[in-house]
Amino acid sequence: EVQLLESGGGLAQPGGSLRLSCAASGFTFSGFAMSWVRQAPGKGLEWVSAVSGSGGNTYYADSVKGRFTISRDNSKNTLYLQMNSLRAEDTAVYYCAKGYGDYGLSPCDYWGQGSLVTVSS
Amino acid sequence: QSALTQPPSASGSPGQSVTISCTGASSDVGGYNYVSWYQQHPGKAPKLMIYEVSKRPSGVPDRFSGSKSGNTASLTVSGLQAEDEADYYCSSYAGSNNFVVIFGGGTKLTVL
Repeated sequence: EVQLLESGGGLAQPGGSLRLSCAASGFTFSGFAMSWVRQAPGKGLEWVSAVSGSGGNTYYADSVKGRFTISRDNSKNTLYLQMNSLRAEDTAVYYCAKGYGDYGLSPCDYWGQGSLVTVSS
Repeated sequence: QSALTQPPSASGSPGQSVTISCTGASSDVGGYNYVSWYQQHPGKAPKLMIYEVSKRPSGVPDRFSGSKSGNTASLTVSGLQAEDEADYYCSSYAGSNNFVVIFGGGTKLTVL
């Protein structure tokens, strides 16, 4: 059974940093792309970032480029999202999602339950 | 890249069919056969319903179908059931030399 468990969310100050982690199990982690997708309270889905199965290719939304870094440790079956220079508009539930295939922008066939990030002073 | 355009709401009675549209541009929906549709029930994580325009992941009922014409993709739900009431989001590849994924604003499907 595929399981994705996010952690690391919480309250951060504007300009601050947080690192999200997503522990994966139930599939061959290195064989699939992984993504982060966020959802602001009461709003729609927004794609944030994706990484290929090997970690060699990364992709970012313009809204987070230069501030967020996606990475993965295939030896630990874990996906990360380092978030720096946080802004109030980054407040959202962040979902970790497994790609349907290996290519970086694969559609997401399994999703975690989400981790809430709140950016406020 | 701008968000894809979806109607904010759609509705139908049990047993009827409903179609939700997703309009983009030649740089996203019209340019690639990489349109996906997600279903999201309140307080739950999204679920992949359609990928690559018209393909269904295993376990998704064949009542759900996808298509595309030009810059507009569509999700059709046939034989509406109460459990189909949810938010539906389309997404697509976008860009040329810098690929990203963009989502639509979402459509609230109500089963009357």
